[in-house]
Amino acid sequence: GAVVSQHPSRVICKSGTSVKIECRSLDFQATTMFWYRQFPKQSLMLMATSNEGSKATYEQGVEKDKFLINHASLTLSTLTVTSAHPEDSSFYICSARDASGYGYTFGSGTRLTVV
Amino acid sequence: DAKTTQPPSMDCAEGRAANLPCNHSTISGNEYVYWYRQIHSQGPQYIIHGLKNNETNEMASLIITEDRKSSTLILPHATLRDTAVYYCIVSPHPSNAGGTSYGKLTFGQGTILTVHP
Repeated sequence: GAVVSQHPSRVICKSGTSVKIECRSLDFQATTMFWYRQFPKQSLMLMATSNEGSKATYEQGVEKDKFLINHASLTLSTLTVTSAHPEDSSFYICSARDASGYGYTFGSGTRLTVV
Repeated sequence: DAKTTQPPSMDCAEGRAANLPCNHSTISGNEYVYWYRQIHSQGPQYIIHGLKNNETNEMASLIITEDRKSSTLILPHATLRDTAVYYCIVSPHPSNAGGTSYGKLTFGQGTILTVHP
């Protein structure tokens, strides 16, 4: 079946620095990828939708200048958290959509801790 | 906002069937019912999806009422490894979605299923 690889699985960074998270579709082409954020004991919250070769669409309340999304190829989307602050500490999860039928495959998530 | 309502938690004995209900009374004609589960600190895992007919795969069965306003996910023989948060989601099928963000999955609070020995 479809596999989505997310890297890194864990990252600790200092406040004020930037962190890049990669999301790769390993055995299929993903024209659309989604980025979610999940705080402890809460559900997944959709942050943005990225489409290969075009600008991402951000959900209301998500700062596009803070969470930079790039989807330069059909197998890779990246999320960069810029000028990270402790309140950005969260579990970030990507999802890729393909046309095969199942539709949505999720990565294993990235635990970001900003100190 | 999520268009589904699920009980916040359920318990099930190991080896017994787990029946997880979901209400989606405002579901549209082109929207499918998806079920995903999330084991602690992992990404969600696809379980099953359906439009109006009952569906079964190696993981579970999905029973959708005739009016499509509710559904039930059935894990026929629950194991301890089935302990997870189960999410019921309604969304247009991706192949029918077109557009860019159309067809995105919006998660509600889900049901915490605890399988005990």
